[in-house]
Amino acid sequence: AQSVTQPDIHITVSEGASLELRCNYSYGATPYLFWYVQSPGQGLQLLLKYFSGDTLVQGIKGFEAEFKRSQSSFNLRKPSVHWSDAAEYFCAWRGNNAGNMLTFGGGTRLMVKP
Amino acid sequence: KAGVTQTPRYLIKTRGQQVTLSCSPISGHRSVSWYQQTPGQGLQFLFEYFSETQRNKGNFPGRFSGRQFSNSRSEMNVSTLELGDSALYLCASSGTSAETQYFGPGTRLLVL
Repeated sequence: AQSVTQPDIHITVSEGASLELRCNYSYGATPYLFWYVQSPGQGLQLLLKYFSGDTLVQGIKGFEAEFKRSQSSFNLRKPSVHWSDAAEYFCAWRGNNAGNMLTFGGGTRLMVKP
Repeated sequence: KAGVTQTPRYLIKTRGQQVTLSCSPISGHRSVSWYQQTPGQGLQFLFEYFSETQRNKGNFPGRFSGRQFSNSRSEMNVSTLELGDSALYLCASSGTSAETQYFGPGTRLLVL
């Protein structure tokens, strides 16, 4: 079965520092990949998505992600973190024929030090 | 456009009871998916409805069921509640089969 792995459960960065959250998926077919963010007690907000084409995708709030097929990875990056970025981040995978069934990683909780 | 709305936002039930949760998708969206979020299991797909038909189903027992109405609103039902059903239940909608899903704020269910 397909799986999505986010190796880092918690990450702490200083405000203004750069950020990279890792995501790996196990399924070989061309995937649809997403990053969502969840603030405490809230639903999921889409940050960005990759369907095809340019492997570097830009999202909201200054986030970007790069799809690397050879590494089965879709890491999320931000050059300078703001205190308001503290939240939980989820990577998600969807196959070509999976309708709208998303498989989520376990999430990475980001804490931002002042 | 209004976002995905879910009602109620919070719910407390006791073991053995049943519960119905409601989701109203973004206007014009025909696909509604449901997910369960727990600290132990994370985010897990329950089922998806598209044009009133269940299109996908996750690995959950038959106590979990759903339906979709002609106006695309969806309900999910959990019968014979167990303590382990305590979770945040998230609904997501999208326009077609290959589009982005937009999530609602969730319904937090506590089973005592």
